[in-house]
Amino acid sequence: EVQLVQSGAEVKKPGESLKISCKGSGYTFSGYWIAWVRQMPGKGLEWMGIIYPGDSDTKYSPSFQGQVTMSVDKSINTAYLQWGSVKASDTAMYYCARVATSLLDGMDVWGQGTTVTVSS
Amino acid sequence: QSVLTQPPSVSAAPGQKVTISCSGSSSKIANNYVSWYQQLPGTAPKLLIYDNNKRPSGIPDRFSGSKSGTSATLGITGLQTGDEADYYCGTWDSSLRVVVFGGGTKLTVL
Repeated sequence: EVQLVQSGAEVKKPGESLKISCKGSGYTFSGYWIAWVRQMPGKGLEWMGIIYPGDSDTKYSPSFQGQVTMSVDKSINTAYLQWGSVKASDTAMYYCARVATSLLDGMDVWGQGTTVTVSS
Repeated sequence: QSVLTQPPSVSAAPGQKVTISCSGSSSKIANNYVSWYQQLPGTAPKLLIYDNNKRPSGIPDRFSGSKSGTSATLGITGLQTGDEADYYCGTWDSSLRVVVFGGGTKLTVL
């Protein structure tokens, strides 16, 4: 079964660092782009960017450039999203998703989501 | 405010048909494929339609997609209470070079 499994919920204080993960299985992880999507409480979907596990090529949405860092460890089929210093406005659900064939074809497999809560 | 425009909500009775629209500019919908996602309450989004009108394996043919110019439409026939969810359209924005989504449409099956 093709699946993406994300790490568990996080509760952080403003200014703390954070790294969440997304582990792929059931397919050639290094051969498909992984996207990260944010969903703030009660709001819609926002595309943050993508990373290609094969060579770690990364493309960020301008809205998130400099705010987060995407990385990957293809030896363990895992992608990461990290913050150097979280803010209250980072409180959201974060999803990783596999890009089907190209970005034009949508995202066909989604992780279950990681809830991030930032509060003092 | 989302880059793609969807109605905030639609509703219909069980067994009926509903359509959800998604509109955008030429740099978005007109020149790129549109995908549709279903997000059931408390769950992750799920790909329903890709490449404007194709269904992934396992998606029933009650769900259909179409595109004309700068607008796309998701159709759902034979509505079931289990179809109650938020539906999002998405596409590639050739100008911004990002994936953009609509604001989402909440479907209520009365």
